Amino acid sequence: DQQVKQNSPSLSVQEGRISILNCDYTNSMFDYFLWYKKYPAEGPTFLISISSIKDKNEDGRFTVFLNKSAKHLSLHIVPSQPGDSAVYFCAARVLGTYKYIFGTGTRLKVLA
Amino acid sequence: DSGVTQTPKHLITATGQRVTLRCSPRSGDLSVYWYQQSLDQGLQFLIQYYNGEERAKGNILERFSAQQFPDLHSELNLSSLELGDSALYFCASSVDRVPLYGYTFGSGTRLTVV
Repeated sequence: DQQVKQNSPSLSVQEGRISILNCDYTNSMFDYFLWYKKYPAEGPTFLISISSIKDKNEDGRFTVFLNKSAKHLSLHIVPSQPGDSAVYFCAARVLGTYKYIFGTGTRLKVLA
Repeated sequence: DSGVTQTPKHLITATGQRVTLRCSPRSGDLSVYWYQQSLDQGLQFLIQYYNGEERAKGNILERFSAQQFPDLHSELNLSSLELGDSALYFCASSVDRVPLYGYTFGSGTRLTVV
């Protein structure tokens, strides 16, 4: 049972345009949501997070939106750059625990 | 360099064999986590250690075991290997037992079972 789903395995975007990566979850007991970025031959690296009590968090070109009623999380990258080409994982933390549940990832390709 | 070191980077072995994957956490981190990423799958949590003690288990097979040593490095032992065990195995570390902002991951060990 996949509690965190990334339904788009891949996404291509022109350089300079907006990239929107989506994530859906089924468990209401998640209290933090994170996005990780992963380049080939490297481990995932933390990108941005959002608490379940917020609906938006912004860090430079990256903004994460949380819609709790829809159990939906999205990551906006604007403007997209070729260096953003990577696999993006969303992850959700089970309330008060060590445990993060990861999605299956979306491969973003930013075309120059 | 994330500060989390995993060795070896690549491992090819035959079915039925046993291998050991090693992880050195980031300096100062007390928690070590092991994750498995199979083809087209997300990262699946296997096990967590905190300061030498097992704290949580996820979807870890009985053929797999792990430990964390007094110097805080950790080893993941995989035995009676099957073709389906081929995957990327990531180690991650955090300073806290319950990390608020996720973990710091190593670059992984790619295991191929033939």
